[in-house]
Amino acid sequence: ETGVTQTPRHLVMGMTNKKSLKCEQHLGHNAMYWYKQSAKKPLELMFVYSLEERVENNSVPSRFSPECPNSSHLFLHLHTLQPEDSALYLCASSQATARAQYFGPGTRLTVL
Amino acid sequence: ELKVEQNPLFLSMQEGKNYTIYCNYSTTSDRLYWYRQDPGKSLESLFVLLSNGAVKQEGRLMASLDTKARLSTLHITAAVHDLSATYFCAVEVAGTYKYIFGTGTRLKVLA
Repeated sequence: ETGVTQTPRHLVMGMTNKKSLKCEQHLGHNAMYWYKQSAKKPLELMFVYSLEERVENNSVPSRFSPECPNSSHLFLHLHTLQPEDSALYLCASSQATARAQYFGPGTRLTVL
Repeated sequence: ELKVEQNPLFLSMQEGKNYTIYCNYSTTSDRLYWYRQDPGKSLESLFVLLSNGAVKQEGRLMASLDTKARLSTLHITAAVHDLSATYFCAVEVAGTYKYIFGTGTRLKVLA
């Protein structure tokens, strides 16, 4: 595998379910990011981890819970989501600040 | 609150024509990024601009940054159909890992 990978690519869940999104980067980068992309809205930065420490948390509802066990892996744990949480969730990584981000293919999430 | 605005939001142009996409932002920053997103795909980095007056070119695309005007431009020269995509600019709040994206410009190049 190369670059940034995300699993699953598609996820349908009910509002009472618990699921997790996984991201893995094979680039040796130090920072990892979660973004939400909804139709007709700009990309929204959700969480940032640098060297496995959370450095940015953009007022995201607690039903989204990130986890970064090491510099190559990032998870987004989901529970009791709402239909408005349906979106494309993108993971990205970068070597540091002032560097381009490399994005994964995204997970298309649908909450019923 | 840092805001990043792109215009136009939609752009339909003929092959062979030139056009410019504008990215305005509301706070001091000298770190500006351009990305491309094809339908159903993820974002791909195009340019990284890290100082006032920075200019980068790749093929038919050229990006520039004017930090005093808080403006970046993405210029398209002699457009071809393969350039059809959505283009995003993003501003980094210096010294942080916080990136604010513009709403995107959906470009359609007509053959």
